[in-house]
Amino acid sequence: AQKITQTQPGMFVQEKEAVTLDCTYDTSDQSYGLFWYKQPSSGEMIFLIYQGSYDEQNATEGRYSLNFQKARKSANLVISASQLGDSAMYFCAMREVSGGYQKVTFGIGTKLQVIP
Amino acid sequence: DTEVTQTPKHLVMGMTNKKSLKCEQHMGHRAMYWYKQKAKKPPELMFVYSYEKLSINESVPSRFSPECPNSSLLNLHLHALQPEDSALYLCASSQVETRKAKNIQYFGAGTRLSVL
Repeated sequence: AQKITQTQPGMFVQEKEAVTLDCTYDTSDQSYGLFWYKQPSSGEMIFLIYQGSYDEQNATEGRYSLNFQKARKSANLVISASQLGDSAMYFCAMREVSGGYQKVTFGIGTKLQVIP
Repeated sequence: DTEVTQTPKHLVMGMTNKKSLKCEQHMGHRAMYWYKQKAKKPPELMFVYSYEKLSINESVPSRFSPECPNSSLLNLHLHALQPEDSALYLCASSQVETRKAKNIQYFGAGTRLSVL
């Protein structure tokens, strides 16, 4: 069984500063995918970034980057130049593929608040 | 804007009502998902359809009945719900590819359901 751990229930960051949201995972699969999603108060889950277990380079998407340390089983999200609109819940998630379909397990989330 | 559309956005129903939640995607994905999310919790998987066939049913009560009329549509029929079923219901879709593919799940904005 796979498991995702997010140890920061809440984080504050000053506008324009960078922030790191922590995520560790546990799986016995050799092939897996790691995701970060953003969920504003409106409820929509917005895909941010993906890292495959076989990817040698850390993923980047605009202001988002994923610090992937496979040996430590960590997949931290780094948001650079924080904006007020970044205030939201952030979920780390891991994909398990079995029998032709995928199941995604989410961590408990980190609530990020950006301070003006 | 998300390419996964959920209707209605809000729904209030009594315990004796029958209602349906609808989800539509136009990304050519062959897998669709229903998640339930309680307040301050991560989403929990309810059902997975792969190529219009039910692949996963995570021991969800029979008062929830999924239906996948075609690869673009996913319904969730609700009957005799309980107040504890009040939650945000999220629909998602993804490709169904090999284990090394990204298979990113894209979510709709959700339906906020209140059962009185």
